[in-house]
Amino acid sequence: AQKVTQAQTEISVVEKEDVTLDCVYETRDTTYYLFWYKQPPSGELVFLIRRNSFDEQNEISGRYSWNFQKSTSSFNFTITASQVVDSAVYFCALSEPIQTGANNLFFGTGTRLTVIP
Amino acid sequence: DVKVTQSSRYLVKRTGEKVFLECVQDMDHENMFWYRQDPGLGLRLIYFSYDVKMKEKGDIPEGYSVSREKKERFSLILESASTNQTSMYLCASSKTGYNEQFFGPGTRLTVL
Repeated sequence: AQKVTQAQTEISVVEKEDVTLDCVYETRDTTYYLFWYKQPPSGELVFLIRRNSFDEQNEISGRYSWNFQKSTSSFNFTITASQVVDSAVYFCALSEPIQTGANNLFFGTGTRLTVIP
Repeated sequence: DVKVTQSSRYLVKRTGEKVFLECVQDMDHENMFWYRQDPGLGLRLIYFSYDVKMKEKGDIPEGYSVSREKKERFSLILESASTNQTSMYLCASSKTGYNEQFFGPGTRLTVL
């Protein structure tokens, strides 16, 4: 069975601090994908990144970076020099392969990040 | 840009009413999904569809049904709404394969 754990329910940081959001997953599949989504106060989930199980290279996009480590089944997300606009709920998700071609996502329970000005 | 729209942002219904939540996507995606989001539980999959007229149960299908008569439209139906179905409902779509899902703005449903 697939499972995604985001142990941090809520995090508060002061603006310009760096913050890391943890994500640990469980799967028996050798091929899988991991995702991060952002849900701002407006409510709409925004896709941030997709990473496949065969690519363990870290990724950086502006102030955002992701660290994927298969050895520890983790896919952590770091925001550098946080800003107030980063305040949101962040979800990590794992994709399960299905014969029909649809990819179901298993979501963690989310981490609410508050950036204090 | 992919656009997923949902018929209502807020909806208030009474126990026992039949409720329709509509979702439309404009990017010709094969797959469409309905989730509900509750505090502390994250997003849970209710139903998904990988083609027109095709549907599959997700993790929590009880009390719900779906309809997909056209590729762009996926409807969630609460046959007889109950108070425990008060929640945020999110629709999503994706292309076939391990592609990201694109989400609509959500419908916050309150059942009194």
